[in-house]
Amino acid sequence: AQKVTQAQTEISVVEKEDVTLDCVYETRDTTYYLFWYKQPPSGELVFLIRRNSFDEQNEISGRYSWNFQKSTSSFNFTITASQVVDSAVYFCALSAHYNQGGKLIFGQGTELSVKP
Amino acid sequence: DAGVIQSPRHEVTEMGQEVTLRCKPISGHDYLFWYRQTMMRGLELLIYFNNNVPIDDSGMPEDRFSAKMPNASFSTLKIQPSEPRDSAVYFCASSSLEGEKLNIQYFGAGTRLSVL
Repeated sequence: AQKVTQAQTEISVVEKEDVTLDCVYETRDTTYYLFWYKQPPSGELVFLIRRNSFDEQNEISGRYSWNFQKSTSSFNFTITASQVVDSAVYFCALSAHYNQGGKLIFGQGTELSVKP
Repeated sequence: DAGVIQSPRHEVTEMGQEVTLRCKPISGHDYLFWYRQTMMRGLELLIYFNNNVPIDDSGMPEDRFSAKMPNASFSTLKIQPSEPRDSAVYFCASSSLEGEKLNIQYFGAGTRLSVL
């Protein structure tokens, strides 16, 4: 069975604080992909990052960074120096079948509120 | 490139009425997905197509739901008859197996359905 768990339902921080969103996944597949999506208050789902199971290198994109650890089945997302515009619901997702076009299993989401 | 286009953005209908949601995927994408988002169940996959053929409809809640993809640039999700518990945001997404964007799903803006 495949499952994604985002244990933090809601997080509230003050602007400029760093914040880490946790994601733990379960799959028996050896080849899989992990994703993060952002859903701002306007409602659309915005792709942030894809990671494949063979690449455990951490990735940094501006204020965003991702830490992938296969040993703990985690794919955590850190926002450095958070801003009000980062307020959104963030979803971690798993795609475990190459030939299914990226069929996604989503976590329940973490609602991040960044206060000025 | 135009993204995934969904229509209508909002739909309000009365219980028992037929509802049709529409989706135009990104040109060249050969996978199309329909998801439903509710507070209780989060984001759940309803059905997906590959090259216009339905591959997995195990997420379709019941016979009142049906989906079609008559050609590569158009898909519909129909609910007949609609019920209040169908109220949700319905997302369409598309993806491709090719190149750097392998298995990345791009989402439409969603259709917010309210069944009274």
